[in-house]
Amino acid sequence: RKEVEQDPGPFNVPEGATVAFNCTYSNSASQSFFWYRQDCRKEPKLLMSVYSSGNEDGRFTAQLNRASQYISLLIRDSKLSDSATYLCVVNPTSGTYKYIFGTGTRLKVLA
Amino acid sequence: EADIYQTPRYLVIGTGKKITLECSQTMGHDKMYWYQQDPGMELHLIHYSYGVNSTEKGDLSSESTVSRIRTEHFPLTLESARPSHTSQYLCASSEPGDSPLHFGNGTRLTVT
Repeated sequence: RKEVEQDPGPFNVPEGATVAFNCTYSNSASQSFFWYRQDCRKEPKLLMSVYSSGNEDGRFTAQLNRASQYISLLIRDSKLSDSATYLCVVNPTSGTYKYIFGTGTRLKVLA
Repeated sequence: EADIYQTPRYLVIGTGKKITLECSQTMGHDKMYWYQQDPGMELHLIHYSYGVNSTEKGDLSSESTVSRIRTEHFPLTLESARPSHTSQYLCASSEPGDSPLHFGNGTRLTVT
């Protein structure tokens, strides 16, 4: 079993739709969680860190479910510009070099 | 916005050549990393550093080497490039603790 797993998609959604992705992790002691956005042939860019209480940034909401060991990303009112691959990143051991990347979930927002 | 820079952005080079990929950051981060990513695939850690004169190999075996003589600079060198080295190389840095990675814009290497 992979340490971090994501549904690769693609998720094809119409503009204005709400879409949610989950990411499961295997190490129950994991401390740090992040969502990144990666456009084709570009570097990953930090979208948001995920906090225990959940957090929101505009149209984006991230949540952590420790009991079931997953994090989620909700995108409301999808824009064409949201089309990208969304990477889940987990650091299982606080403060170390070990960031575990999911393979990413591809989102296509259609006009 | 992170201030971490990689050069060159694109590099096409012949087999057997020695190359150095540059990475610099202006944020004073002690931790720096090199990742390799093939198209459509996940990132793999090839080297990391916790600070000056500290370098370690990552999880993915790589024929490259790195150095960390200054905090802001973390170059990666391939002594003899091969077609199997064709990939995207991403440099990153982070603050201490549970901090996210900040990536440079990557170097896309093609070895012919």
